[in-house]
Amino acid sequence: DSGVTQTPKHLITATGQRVTLRCSPRSGDLSVYWYQQSLDQGLQFLIQYYNGEERAKGNILERFSAQQFPDLHSELNLSSLELGDSALYFCASSPTVTYNEQFFGPGTRLTVL
Amino acid sequence: QQPVQSPQAVILREGEDAVTNCSSSKALYSVHWYRQKHGEAPVFLMILLKGGEQKGHEKISASFNEKKQQSSLYLTASQLSYSGTYFCGTPAYQGAQKLVFGQGTRLTINP
Repeated sequence: DSGVTQTPKHLITATGQRVTLRCSPRSGDLSVYWYQQSLDQGLQFLIQYYNGEERAKGNILERFSAQQFPDLHSELNLSSLELGDSALYFCASSPTVTYNEQFFGPGTRLTVL
Repeated sequence: QQPVQSPQAVILREGEDAVTNCSSSKALYSVHWYRQKHGEAPVFLMILLKGGEQKGHEKISASFNEKKQQSSLYLTASQLSYSGTYFCGTPAYQGAQKLVFGQGTRLTINP
């Protein structure tokens, strides 16, 4: 158990819908990262927040957005969902913004039908 | 640009050694290694921050050749628990906080 929690564990929805994935980092960690992992694919970095501010962005689609709240939990919002958005979405946290071990949550499996 | 990992897959018997490589056409500023078991989250193994650095934990070790822009992960006397996909990640550019991961090497250890 990494100490990072993600909800929900599974999510099944239809194309065109909007969903919100939630992540609570380890106690004391200020950095939160979001990754997408499609079937048989590697980890694709989406976005990073540090203490409430966006710090780095990957190839995140305009339909996707995220935020980190004052209590440090983070949410990833996915809208106008397409079949290709079906994937595992991982959240990870680390204590600071520099090169640190990242602790991954168990992931949310999103299925778009 | 995504680092390239090789081989893509390896099948071994318990007790055999394995090596997986991570290389890049761009400079590697640091190399981060993670292992992901099927259906689970990636777990951190180690970070190598500078060329020539070598690290190890129990029977898993890694080296980083900055000039050759490559890193290798070594598993000695592999155990069944070592099965999984091994990913290397590297900062997108110097000082970057986002990691770009390779496609992974899938390691299967059989009894």
